[in-house]
Parts: sequence; C-alpha cells; structure tokens
Amino acid sequence: AQSVTQLDSHVSVSEGTPVLLRCNYSSSYSPSLFWYVQHPNKGLQLLLKYTSAATLVKGINGFEAEFKKSETSFHLTKPSAHMSDAAEYFCVVSDRNFNKFYFGSGTKLNVKP
Amino acid sequence: DAGITQSPRHKVTETGTPVTLRCHQTENHRYMYWYRQDPGHGLRLIHYSYGVKDTDKGEVSDGYSVSRSKTEDFLLTLESATSSQTSVYFCAISAGTGPFQETQYFGPGTRLLVL
Repeated sequence: AQSVTQLDSHVSVSEGTPVLLRCNYSSSYSPSLFWYVQHPNKGLQLLLKYTSAATLVKGINGFEAEFKKSETSFHLTKPSAHMSDAAEYFCVVSDRNFNKFYFGSGTKLNVKP
Repeated sequence: DAGITQSPRHKVTETGTPVTLRCHQTENHRYMYWYRQDPGHGLRLIHYSYGVKDTDKGEVSDGYSVSRSKTEDFLLTLESATSSQTSVYFCAISAGTGPFQETQYFGPGTRLLVL
C-alpha cells in the first residue's frame, strides 16, 4: 500500500534562507511522487514530479526535490525563501495500478521578513 | 490549466438537505476524482471515476454518492448533508498515459457550509 508522511506540520524560515520540507513515502513498488503548493484560499498547483527519470527533480519557482530510494524520502528544497513562498505544501505518492493518489497531511511554510 | 471547473464555488445549506456539486472538464480525461480538504488531514479521496458509469469508493465515501454519465462531468451528491461534511471539496483529473505519466490537476474548489 502507498502512504506519505510529511514530517513537519509547520516550518518557519526567514526570507533569503534555505527551505527544507520533509517527506517520506511507503510504496510496494517504484512510485511516482509529487509536490503541490496551495496558497491561502486557493487551489492546488503542481510544483514538481518524479517519474523514474533523474532523481533530482527541478520544479517551478526555484524548488527542487531529490528522490532517495534507500531512505524512502522525497524532500523539497529551495535555496532562498521568498515571502511569496508562504503556503501549504503537500507531498503525494501515486498508485499507478489504479491511478490513485495519496496525500500527506501538509506542511505550512511561514516566511518571516 | 487542465480546463476544470467546479460549481457552485460556495454553498450554504441546512442539515438534512441533499446537495450536488458538479465538476466539469474540457479535455476528455478518463480519470476524475473528488476530494475533501480539512485542516490537518490533507486531501482525502471521497470517490473516483475511471470512465463513464465506472466509479469506485475512496477512503471517506460514507454519506456521499457520485455519478458520471458523460466523460466531461462528474457529480458528487451529499444525500443528506451533515455538519461533519462542512469542508472544501476539490475535483481533480489525472492526465497523461503510459508508465509514470499520470499527473493530477485540480479544480478551484467548492466551499460547503452545512448549518
């Protein structure tokens, strides 16, 4: 069975400092993994996805994530936070057999000036 | 933008009344989904569809039913609304075919308040 654990429910960083949002997954086979962002009172936007090509995936707005099979992790990083990055971020794993997707509980990122 | 619209965008209703939410897509994707979003729970799957008249339950399906009579429309019905169904509801489609190509795209959401 597939599942996702987002290790931090809230992360707070200062503007200009690095961002690290942690995600661990469980999957019975090689998964597809995704990060989505949701700004307040908005819908979900795809940031990036891993689909078995390069293990380091680059997404929009300077975000990237690294797939580490040995650690079953897919952490999201950004070198320098902007105020506009304040949002909630969701890590997602897919079950390709049934085209179903499993969400983590989310990490709220706060960016301080 | 995957051409997904939801209606209504906001709704207030009373306990015990039926409510239907509509999701419409313009790109003929096979898979469609209904989720609810509540604080601390992320998104939880209510029902999904893998084709016209083909649907299956998700993890929180009690109290909800769905129908898909056309590729482009996926309806979610709360048979008798309860306060616990106050939530934000998102529709999604899965685009892409072939191994590792599936990707979800979401509609703008419907805010439902059950009094």
